[in-house]
Amino acid sequence: KAGVTQTPRYLIKTRGQQVTLSCSPISGHRSVSWYQQTPGQGLQFLFEYFSETQRNKGNFPGRFSGRQFSNSRSEMNVSTLELGDSALYLCASSGTGIREQYFGPGTRLTVT
Amino acid sequence: GQNIDQPTEMTATEGAIVQINCTYQTSGFNGLFWYQQHAGEAPTFLSYNVLDGLEEKGRFSSFLSRSKGYSYLLLKELQMKDSASYLCAVFHGQNFVFGPGTRLSVLP
Repeated sequence: KAGVTQTPRYLIKTRGQQVTLSCSPISGHRSVSWYQQTPGQGLQFLFEYFSETQRNKGNFPGRFSGRQFSNSRSEMNVSTLELGDSALYLCASSGTGIREQYFGPGTRLTVT
Repeated sequence: GQNIDQPTEMTATEGAIVQINCTYQTSGFNGLFWYQQHAGEAPTFLSYNVLDGLEEKGRFSSFLSRSKGYSYLLLKELQMKDSASYLCAVFHGQNFVFGPGTRLSVLP
């Protein structure tokens, strides 16, 4: 069974631009969660989608948004990028809930 | 918000047992998770506790006391490959909060 895939793996953007990251969950998984990981703040939860609906949400500003499609694939968008958004963005999928999650390799975003 | 505390670093010897502690605020608690993360890799799920007591899974066990806001991860028969960061995370309300992680070094 294929694991969680994320594209792109690396991305360089300029401050003020926007970016969209993609995540394909493990086949059959309906829950997709997004996380930001930085050396200073550690691993932080962004949001979780289940059956195309945002079910849980962390404490990030509205510049961070996401969506999930009917095939469970998910995208995360960050608008008006700031230097502090430079991070590893991880996606994780699970069957029905946030309980046992499988992480993808991440997308390394650098904002210059 | 939720504050989660873990020791920053621990060192242990191959073959030994190590206990990594985690404390958290109890309000709105919905479950506690442990993850392992090797340097440069994504986290891997280890365990999930929602009720008090011990959950055992091979060489790894996790304990939870909800009234004390306390959990620990016990690693037995340590191997070199266990050198990694161990993250405690609490699900409360609609948020999933991670601790800073404990970097474990296993020495020969």
